[in-house]
Order: sequence, then C-alpha cells, then structure tokens
Amino acid sequence: AQRVTQPEKLLSVFKGAPVELKCNYSYSGSPELFWYVQYSRQRLQLLLRHISRESIKGFTADLNKGETSFHLKKPFAQEEDSAMYYCALDPGGTSYGKLTFGQGTILTVHP
Amino acid sequence: NAGVTQTPKFRILKIGQSMTLQCTQDMNHNYMYWYRQDPGMGLKLIYYSVGAGITDKGEVPNGYNVSRSTTEDFPLRLELAAPSQTSVYFCASGKGLVSYNEQFFGPGTRLTVL
Repeated sequence: AQRVTQPEKLLSVFKGAPVELKCNYSYSGSPELFWYVQYSRQRLQLLLRHISRESIKGFTADLNKGETSFHLKKPFAQEEDSAMYYCALDPGGTSYGKLTFGQGTILTVHP
Repeated sequence: NAGVTQTPKFRILKIGQSMTLQCTQDMNHNYMYWYRQDPGMGLKLIYYSVGAGITDKGEVPNGYNVSRSTTEDFPLRLELAAPSQTSVYFCASGKGLVSYNEQFFGPGTRLTVL
C-alpha cells in the first residue's frame, strides 16, 4: 500500500524568505503526485501536479524518484501563502483517481 | 456553477443516532469520493464511486454506507454514530476517464458525536 509523509506539521517563515514543504512517499509503481492547498475559510483545492510541470503562484515541485520525494518550493514567500498544504499520491492505472494524502503542513508566513 | 456542495455544515449527534451527509456536484463528473479528516491527520478515503450505481470501499469504510443513484448525488450514511466518527467529512468529485484527474472538494461537514 502507498504512503505519503509530510514530516513538518508546522512551518513558519518570514515574508520574502524561501520556503520548502517536504513530502516523501512510498509506492512501488510510478505514481502521480499532487499538492493541494486550503486557505483560511476556503475549500481544499489543487495547487499543482507533477504531470503538468507547471509553476503556480510561484510554487514549483520536483519529483525525485530516487529519493521518492515531491517537495514544494517557493523562492520568496508571501503572507497570502499562509495555508494548510497537503501532498497527495495517485497510484494511477485502475485506481480511479483515489488519493492518499499526507498529514498536511500548516505554513505561516510572517510579515 | 456551484461545484460540490455539502449539507449540513455542522452537526452534533448522540451515540447511536443515524444521519445522512449530503453531497451534490453540478459538473457532470463521473467520479465522486468521501473523505474524513481527523485532527492532525491527512484525509482518509471512506468510499468512492465511478458512476451512478457503482460504489466501492476506500481505506476506512466501517460504520458508513453510500449510494449513487444519480451522477449528481453521493450521500454518505452513518447508521449508528460512534464517538470515533467525530471528524470533518469532505466530499469530492473528479472528471474521471482521464489519467491523474483533479479532484474538486466541497466545503466539508463538521460532525461531533457525543
């Protein structure tokens, strides 16, 4: 069975500082990885996915198959980045899009 | 286009009571999911459906039932509420039939069982 681990429950940085939210996974196949975000008083929404190779709101994430990691990075954090971030894994194939989520990391960006 | 809607937003149940959490989507998505989120934990899949009339268990299905009579609706039923079912419940939908599809989430239902 697959597993997703986000080692930091809380992460605090100052505005303008770089930020990295860690995500490690265990799965024997080739999964797709996602980052979902929940801003205050908003619903959970997709931030980015590996397959799209895109940068959203200045965030990027690189899939490292050797280290089985999918860390989320942003070079200059903004106060509006404060939110709960979830890393999620989709095994693909006939999994019907079922996601396995990490425990989540609360990011706080201080002014 | 309301997306995924859930009712109620909050509910307090007594042990042994039953209730149905409603979930509706207006995006004509094939796939729908129910997750629960316990404090300090990630979301865990309870049940999912790949189309009307087709449902299957997820990781934590005990104590719950679902049905999918229409594409739009995917209610979650708690038959005998227990304190262990105190959680936030999220419904989600996805287009399906494509690889690695995005899931769209509802606002959640916060349930307390006392």
